[in-house]
Parts: sequence; structure tokens; C-alpha cells
Amino acid sequence: QITLKESGPTLVKPTQTLTLTCTFSGFLFSTSGVGVGWIRQPPGKALEWLALIDWEDDKRYSPSLSHRLTITKDASKNQVVLTLSNMDPVDTGTYFCAHTDRWYNGFDAWGQGTPVTVSS
Amino acid sequence: QSVLTQPPSVSGAPGQRITISCTGNSSNIGAGYDVHWYQQLPGTAPKLLIYGNTNRPSGVPDRFSGSQSGTSASLAITGLQVEDEADYYCQSYDRSLIWVFGGGTKLTVL
Repeated sequence: QITLKESGPTLVKPTQTLTLTCTFSGFLFSTSGVGVGWIRQPPGKALEWLALIDWEDDKRYSPSLSHRLTITKDASKNQVVLTLSNMDPVDTGTYFCAHTDRWYNGFDAWGQGTPVTVSS
Repeated sequence: QSVLTQPPSVSGAPGQRITISCTGNSSNIGAGYDVHWYQQLPGTAPKLLIYGNTNRPSGVPDRFSGSQSGTSASLAITGLQVEDEADYYCQSYDRSLIWVFGGGTKLTVL
């Protein structure tokens, strides 16, 4: 059974850098095709894909946020870390990490999400 | 503004059949990339409902089905139940090497 759990601060100030950690179990990054993505959802709004890292350490970013995003993985700790710099109130929302076994198969397991509020 | 277009809302009575459309373009759905559908119950994380246009993960009732044609895809729910009331999102891949979601559709079961 695949499980993922996001962790990080619930409140950040404008201009600060957000660092979120996704801790997972039930799969290995050494498995061909595996990827972990980050998706966010502003309150009452739609899902927005942010970034994905795969088993070969290939990294992809949303073009609109690529200058602010960094995704890394620590396979030995079963963790994926996302940083988003220069936070703004519009970045407020729930941040999810999710697993895919092949980039073309969709995200078949999701974390519960972690809420982030950007406010001074 | 989401890359994939969905109707903001649909509704139906228990037992009825509804469909939710998802329209993309030649860079995503029209390029042959698969469409996936997610169900998001209030206050919960999305759950994969349909993958690869038409496939149901284990445990998803066969009341849910997906189809794809050209630059669009559809999710159909038959025998509508009160517990189907949720937000539904389509998702695909884009030639610009990114994953894209629809704007979501709120299903109300009357």
C-alpha cells in the first residue's frame, strides 16, 4: 500500500521561502517509471500541478512558477522536498504530494494535503 | 485559467446518468496523451477515478466510465448516488512537458 504525507509550516510570511516535505512508503524511487508530484489547491479553486521528480531524477516544473520552484528527492529517507520562494498571499492553499507509477498513468495515490497560509 | 476546460457544475437526480466534459487542444488531449479523472469529496484529497481514458482502478464502481475522442474526453456516471456528490477533475499531459488539470466540475445530486 502506497502512502504519502506532506509536512511543513502552516503559516509563512510574504517573501519567505516555503519548504514542504513529502514522506512516503510503499514504493521505491529505484523502480522504473516512478514519480512524485506536487499539486496545490487554493481555497475553493481548482487543482494546479506544480512539479514532479522521477526515478531518474528528472525534474519538471510548471512554467509559470519554474523560477520559484525547486524539487529534490532523498531516496534513502523516502522523501521528496519542494521549495517555493518569494511567497505571496496568492500562494495560499492546500499542497498535495502524489505518486505516479508512469508519467502517463495519472496520480494514483495522494497525501492528505497540508494547508499553507501566506500572511504577514 | 486552467489548460483543460470543464463545465463548472452539473447536477442530476439519484439514479440518473450524467456526463462531464473535458476539452483540451492539440498539445495535450489532441496529441494523444491520456486523460485521467479524479474525484474530490469535500475536505479530502483527490482520488484517481479513471486512468488512461477508460480504465478504472481497483475498487472504483463500474458506474463510472471514461471516454476520449479528438481533443476532448468525458466522464460518465450512471445510477447516480448521493455519495457521488463531489468535485471532479480531468488531467492530462502536455507537449510542453507538463501535467495539466481541468478547472473542476461540481456535481450536485438533487
